[in-house]
This record gives sequence, structure tokens and C-alpha cells, in this order.
Amino acid sequence: GPKVLQIPSHQIIDMGQMVTLNCDPVSNHLYFYWYKQILGQQMEFLVNFYNGKVMEKSKLFKDQFSVERPDGSYFTLKIQPTALEDSAVYFCASSLGGRRIMKQYFGPGTRLTVL
Amino acid sequence: GDSVTQKQGQVTLSEDDFLFINCTYSTTTYPTLFWYVQYPGQGPQLLLKVTTANNKGISRGFEATYDKGTTSFHLQKASVQESDSAVYFCALVDGDTNAYKVIFGKGTHLHVLP
Repeated sequence: GPKVLQIPSHQIIDMGQMVTLNCDPVSNHLYFYWYKQILGQQMEFLVNFYNGKVMEKSKLFKDQFSVERPDGSYFTLKIQPTALEDSAVYFCASSLGGRRIMKQYFGPGTRLTVL
Repeated sequence: GDSVTQKQGQVTLSEDDFLFINCTYSTTTYPTLFWYVQYPGQGPQLLLKVTTANNKGISRGFEATYDKGTTSFHLQKASVQESDSAVYFCALVDGDTNAYKVIFGKGTHLHVLP
């Protein structure tokens, strides 16, 4: 079936540095999402993105976070600067349609460790 | 706000046992309910979804009924196999816009012994 890829699978950085997480969504999908999962806790919505714009973001999507998908390439999540509490697994998802279809395809996640 | 509750963190069964994973939800509107399954090293995959109250979703031998009266969406399977070992997430989508968000429960880790 359709696959979402995430690069890298693991990232270790020092607090205060910038990090960019990359997502290669399913090729004809239009809606894109990021979710965050801290170890042992539930996966939580960060942001959704459509037509070049953020449609909705949660309170977890701090000012240090930004997303973009320049020219139909990777959908990226940038954190600048990083903080210790940003350590988590970040899952990207994409979907063809919005509410009418309501099927998101998830990537395998990027494990981010902030030291 | 909307929420999903899964109280069972881990379930251990033997092959051919009956599976029951409890899920309840809280919302002020009429959500669509999901079960996702996550295998090691992978992201969650949609297992089944139900958009209408009192309907049942069925997929790969798993089933769940959306019960508006008890606000429950428990997952069941008559006879589990070792290959069913995974983490199962109950989830809901609320809101009426196209750019929706999925609200997940904490997940239940199912371990099926051969």
C-alpha cells in the first residue's frame, strides 16, 4: 500500500540546536500532519497543513516549531531552538482527502533525542 | 475537550483466545471512531473505522461497535493469532473541517503467546 517515509529514523542533538525532520508523504496526497509521542504516552496532534498553509495547530506546537513543504518536496518540521522536552518520536502522516475520506497514512516515525 | 480512554496498557493472551480491548470516548459532538494498529518499527495503520453511531466496523477478523449510549468503542476478535501482537490505539476525529486531527488513546500492547 501507499507509504510515508521519514528521514532520519533517529536524531540526537544538543539542546539549543536546530533540527529538521523530513517527511516524504504519499505522492498524490494533499493534507499533511505531524504528531508527537513521548515515550509511554499517547500520540498527540501537533499540526495539519494544506495548500501551503497551517490549518490547525495544538498547544504543543510552540513558537519554536515551523512546518513547510516547499515546491511539493518533503514536508518538514523544524524546531529552532530545541529544548529537552522536545525529545519524543515524531510521526508524519498524509491523506488524500480531508474529512470526507478521513484516512491518514503514517510514517514510521523519527526518534528525536535532545541532550 | 475530546478524549479517548484505554485503561488496559498491556494484554497477554494465548493463540485462539478471545480478545477484548476496552475504549471509551468523550466528546460533545458526533465523532468518527477508529482503531489503529502499530507493529514494531512502523507507524500506526488504520484497522477499522465507524462513522455512524450503533454501527459496527469489521476488518481482518476484528470488530468494534460504536455505542453512543455508553460512549464505548471496544475492540474484539474471536480468536487471536501470534501475528496480531502489536499496539492497538483507539482514536476519534471530531470537528467538521477538512483539515481534521486524530485524537488517540494511550494504546494497548497486545502480546499473543504461541
